[in-house]
Amino acid sequence: GENVEQHPSTLSVQEGDSAVIKCTYSDSASNYFPWYKQELGKRPQLIIDIRSNVGEKKDQRIAVTLNKTAKHFSLHITETQPEDSAVYFCAAERDNFNKFYFGSGTKLNVKP
Amino acid sequence: ETGVTQTPRHLVMGMTNKKSLKCEQHLGHNAMYWYKQSAKKPLELMFVYNFKEQTENNSVPSRFSPECPNSSHLFLHLHTLQPEDSALYLCASSQENGITGELFFGEGSRLTVL
Repeated sequence: GENVEQHPSTLSVQEGDSAVIKCTYSDSASNYFPWYKQELGKRPQLIIDIRSNVGEKKDQRIAVTLNKTAKHFSLHITETQPEDSAVYFCAAERDNFNKFYFGSGTKLNVKP
Repeated sequence: ETGVTQTPRHLVMGMTNKKSLKCEQHLGHNAMYWYKQSAKKPLELMFVYNFKEQTENNSVPSRFSPECPNSSHLFLHLHTLQPEDSALYLCASSQENGITGELFFGEGSRLTVL
């Protein structure tokens, strides 16, 4: 089965700085890579995703990059704000398999 | 509102009790999932239902018993649980039509086993 590893487990940045979270996956057949944000006491929500046919995707201050050869993908948050503080999860999935494999999460703390 | 509702939000039960968690989705999705979220661990996939048929049982102990009477409702029946089963149980749904769709999560049911 798929194995997704995520680093770092905690990340503390100053407001306005950038934050980068990295994930690796093991199954070369995985082709969909979403990122979820979970605020304290709330449900995980999708913030950005990327499919294996593209190498990068951007949405305002958030971007995701994918290196299929190396089997890793990263979340980049620029100009961080206190409301970005949350736990971020990466995941990997194969179309039609209905199995989302999640990383262990990164707790991001943005200090004002 | 994401359209996935879970009840109860909190549940405390003894090891000999029988209880059930309920999930309902109003999004018209065809796939529903149960995930277990424990502290400092990845979200663990427990069960998957696609068009009401169970397509995945991720080596879950038999003290957890899922039920999917229709594509909008999902239950997790609990009996003779262990303290290590204490966790947040998240229900999710997605629309699967050849291309993976976004997972929509419920708020979760926080379970404490005494």
